[in-house]
Amino acid sequence: DSGVTQTPKHLITATGQRVTLRCSPRSGDLSVYWYQQSLDQGLQFLIQYYNGEERAKGNILERFSAQQFPDLHSELNLSSLELGDSALYFCASSVVAGLARETQYFGPGTRLLVL
Amino acid sequence: GENVEQHPSTLSVQEGDSAVIKCTYSDSASNYFPWYKQELGKRPQLIIDIRSNVGEKKDQRIAVTLNKTAKHFSLHITETQPEDSAVYFCAALFSGGGADGLTFGKGTHLIIQP
Repeated sequence: DSGVTQTPKHLITATGQRVTLRCSPRSGDLSVYWYQQSLDQGLQFLIQYYNGEERAKGNILERFSAQQFPDLHSELNLSSLELGDSALYFCASSVVAGLARETQYFGPGTRLLVL
Repeated sequence: GENVEQHPSTLSVQEGDSAVIKCTYSDSASNYFPWYKQELGKRPQLIIDIRSNVGEKKDQRIAVTLNKTAKHFSLHITETQPEDSAVYFCAALFSGGGADGLTFGKGTHLIIQP
């Protein structure tokens, strides 16, 4: 167990819908990252938040957005869902500073199926 | 941006033999290189990492080597066991530039034959 939690574990929805995935980082971690894992694209970095502010953007679609709240949990919002958005979505967190700053610990993931 | 190539995509070895997985990266500024192990349906788990100021790091049966000049790094697993069967991902990151998203390779499916 990495200490990172994600809900829900599974999500089934229809095309055109909107869903929200939730992540709680390890205690004390200020950085939260979101990744998407699909068979064709592999593991791809979407977005990073640090202490409530957006820090870096990767291959995140405009239909997707995220935020980090004062209690440091984060939510990833996916809207106008398409079949191709079906994937595993992982959240990861890392410590604030020091040599271990880059080390990212992954949560169990949310499996999204768009029908 | 960074691009990470990983080979082979599938590797089958006899139990007890060694396994080597290789990765190359494109951005010479990358300075942090972790390896993750992922079992089917589970989260990626960090197994070892190396920073650019070190050429080699070892942890029991697992070792990672880094060649900054050639921009490649490798994972070595010795005395392989059935529980080593999984998908292994390499990744690269430039830490210090404010953008800390990992760039992953496509993964290697390691199969340990009994």
